[in-house]
Amino acid sequence: DGGITQSPKYLFRKEGQNVTLSCEQNLNHDAMYWYRQDPGQGLRLIYYSQIVNDFQKGDIAEGYSVSREKKESFPLTVTSAQKNPTAFYLCASSETGIREKLFFGSGTQLSVL
Amino acid sequence: AQSVTQPDIHITVSEGASLELRCNYSYGATPYLFWYVQSPGQGLQLLLKYFSGDTLVQGIKGFEAEFKRSQSSFNLRKPSVHWSDAAEYFCAANTGTASKLTFGTGTRLQVTL
Repeated sequence: DGGITQSPKYLFRKEGQNVTLSCEQNLNHDAMYWYRQDPGQGLRLIYYSQIVNDFQKGDIAEGYSVSREKKESFPLTVTSAQKNPTAFYLCASSETGIREKLFFGSGTQLSVL
Repeated sequence: AQSVTQPDIHITVSEGASLELRCNYSYGATPYLFWYVQSPGQGLQLLLKYFSGDTLVQGIKGFEAEFKRSQSSFNLRKPSVHWSDAAEYFCAANTGTASKLTFGTGTRLQVTL
């Protein structure tokens, strides 16, 4: 079945530690996105990529990094510089930009130990 | 600043009753408009979208939305709610000039039997 796979479902981070969230899609989509979801705040864009080896910062990129070495994969690293990382992280993909609908993964809940 | 507002944080309706979820946008030009639904601990799924043309848009699961330019609104409706409709609903907008969506803060729908 085609879709987006996020792993792990739950992740715990120790202080000062970098953690990486995985996002893989087999929809052959060019565009991929990372969103952060906090209760009562909706979804906020962290990073997006419209093509392999290229990505742009979203509204809340500080403390995060990404790579797009393969079309299928768009991993997100939450660095130690992100002081409030506890949130639900959603990866999404779409065809040729934002006019097309987004397909979402099932999310990763990141918590701080 | 561009924004999407969902004034209702939480709505409770009885099964079989009608539903209307409100969404207002603040953009210089008419944006592309979307409604997404999220079940607990899951990603988002597109219900419907409006780009232009007929202001009454039909979506999946029996939902519809009406675009009203004069009120800067894009309210979601369903004539008869089912218990399985309990979820969080997000309105989103984009002007098509940048690869990102602006999401509202969401409305959580509870359905009583």
